[in-house]
Amino acid sequence: DTGVSQDPRHKITKRGQNVTFRCDPISEHNRLYWYRQTLGQGPEFLTYFQNEAQLEKSRLLSDRFSAERPKGSFSTLEIQRTEQGDSAMYLCASSPGLAGVADTQYFGPGTRLTVL
Amino acid sequence: RKEVEQDPGPFNVPEGATVAFNCTYSNSASQSFFWYRQDCRKEPKLLMSVYSSGNEDGRFTAQLNRASQYISLLIRDSKLSDSATYLCVVNPYAGNNRKLIWGLGTSLAVNP
Repeated sequence: DTGVSQDPRHKITKRGQNVTFRCDPISEHNRLYWYRQTLGQGPEFLTYFQNEAQLEKSRLLSDRFSAERPKGSFSTLEIQRTEQGDSAMYLCASSPGLAGVADTQYFGPGTRLTVL
Repeated sequence: RKEVEQDPGPFNVPEGATVAFNCTYSNSASQSFFWYRQDCRKEPKLLMSVYSSGNEDGRFTAQLNRASQYISLLIRDSKLSDSATYLCVVNPYAGNNRKLIWGLGTSLAVNP
């Protein structure tokens, strides 16, 4: 399967614990995005990388959240001191970095986080 | 006003029906428009990009009306497998699609 992959698919943690998620984009896609989605809502943009550079962060991304893409390939999203409000589906997407409409974002299966 | 607004539905239609969804957006400078489909507890998948001239892909037709700032999706001859949530997506930025603004989605249930 050469699509976007995410690991783990499900994570249950206790409030106050740290969690880290991994995303492997489609190979040769230079853009990578993180979104968060809660039930009944559309995905909310969190952050975006062009290669290894983090170019944009949503104000939704509090100090407890950090994302990296050290070699411009896979990315990690870490949440420190998790809160119950962090419970959501965390979606990763990648795109080839083309101009305009052609730059379609392809999504991974998501990591479903439950904070108890 | 929300940046992207959709009627959440649900739309319940019989097999074979034609159904249309509308989506309005607030930023008149928005550049790119998409419809994504999302099945329950799955990731969103691109259904169609929406071009200025409108475009068709089989039973699906997408239209853009810049003057009124809305896009539409028409599904003809609905199938049971069309049951899903349809998400309207807008890129308000010129040049690339780095930050997409998503609607809440419209739920469609096609019944036998």
